[in-house]
Amino acid sequence: NAGVTQTPKFQVLKTGQSMTLQCAQDMNHNSMYWYRQDPGMGLRLIYYSASEGTTDKGEVPNGYNVSRLNKREFSLRLESAAPSQTSVYFCASSEYGPTGELFFGEGSRLTVL
Amino acid sequence: SQQGEEDPQALSIQEGENATMNCSYKTSINNLQWYRQNSGRGLVHLILIRSNEREKHSGRLRVTLDTSKKSSSLLITASRAADTASYFCATDVSNDMRFGAGTRLTVKP
Repeated sequence: NAGVTQTPKFQVLKTGQSMTLQCAQDMNHNSMYWYRQDPGMGLRLIYYSASEGTTDKGEVPNGYNVSRLNKREFSLRLESAAPSQTSVYFCASSEYGPTGELFFGEGSRLTVL
Repeated sequence: SQQGEEDPQALSIQEGENATMNCSYKTSINNLQWYRQNSGRGLVHLILIRSNEREKHSGRLRVTLDTSKKSSSLLITASRAADTASYFCATDVSNDMRFGAGTRLTVKP
């Protein structure tokens, strides 16, 4: 009963390095989301995918790219990491988009030095 | 800027007391949801209230929605130490969900 699985859980990068955060859900949900959480800021939406084959920008998309590889998987890529991207990243999925409940992964803690 | 804002930012109460958190939002919504986050964990859905509903209950949780004031409240009755967590409201904006900054609730045993 995995739900939403994120990898890696922890990562340390140097400025300018690239990496991809992976997210997979096993609930056959249509919509998937990437959020970042910073102290005192709550969650801010980076990108979302309303359905397989579509992606859209959220509040803070700069510096990120996403791929909806198939219905299960939604990855987030940092092409050239910056210290401002130090954060905890959460992936979430939903069967009915914003009209229904979001299911969250346990988060990926990223530090950019 | 964020769609939802919770108030207060932090709340500390004794076990057995009630806890009330408020959420204000800016644009019209179809639904509003409340989530809970334990330290170091992902968010967990608590309750969803639709724009045509005024009040909803789930166990010890009571949520109200006032669309004329663009605000919602979450009441946790008879709180327990295990209720210690951060609580977030979320509203639907187009095809996505936007969250507030959260209320940090501490319930002292």
